[in-house]
Amino acid sequence: DGGITQSPKYLFRKEGQNVTLSCEQNLNHDAMYWYRQDPGQGLRLIYYSQIVNDFQKGDIAEGYSVSREKKESFPLTVTSAQKNPTAFYLCASRSLGGTQPQHFGDGTRLSIL
Amino acid sequence: QQQVKQSPQSLIVQKGGISIINCAYENTAFDYFPWYQQFPGKGPALLIAIRPDVSEKKEGRFTISFNKSAKQFSLHIMDSQPGDSATYFCAASIVNDKIIFGKGTRLHILP
Repeated sequence: DGGITQSPKYLFRKEGQNVTLSCEQNLNHDAMYWYRQDPGQGLRLIYYSQIVNDFQKGDIAEGYSVSREKKESFPLTVTSAQKNPTAFYLCASRSLGGTQPQHFGDGTRLSIL
Repeated sequence: QQQVKQSPQSLIVQKGGISIINCAYENTAFDYFPWYQQFPGKGPALLIAIRPDVSEKKEGRFTISFNKSAKQFSLHIMDSQPGDSATYFCAASIVNDKIIFGKGTRLHILP
């Protein structure tokens, strides 16, 4: 079954700690995206990548980092520089060319201990 | 210029009624307008989408109305059901560019 897998579903971070959220897709999509969702804020774009080994900052990239070493994988690291990391993080992917829909994973909820 | 403004923020509708969510945009280069539905604890899923060369698109109980001159589009849910209770996002994009999302509407259908 094709789709996007995010893990873990729940994650807890201690102060000063970096954590990495996993996102894997088997849809053979070119582009991948990371969003942060807070109540009443909608979906805010953190980073996106349209091709392996290349990625672009979104609207709220400060305190986050990404890599795209493989087409199917786009991990997000929440660094200690992100002062308010508690949120629901969503990964998405889509094919490029025409009006292809964006597919989402089921998210990772990050909380601070 | 890149924003998509969505209203209302929350909506309560009686079962069997019509739910209407409105969105507006500024960038006339947008050429793809999808709507996403999100249930608690899940990622958003594509519900229905429209291109600007069409004024209306219907899929079952869900209809998008598009007004290109006013730069507005809306989602109508006919015969709303409790199972439609979810958060709805409108969005807009230029082909192959990132999708810009509205802030979402939390819809609650009363049984």
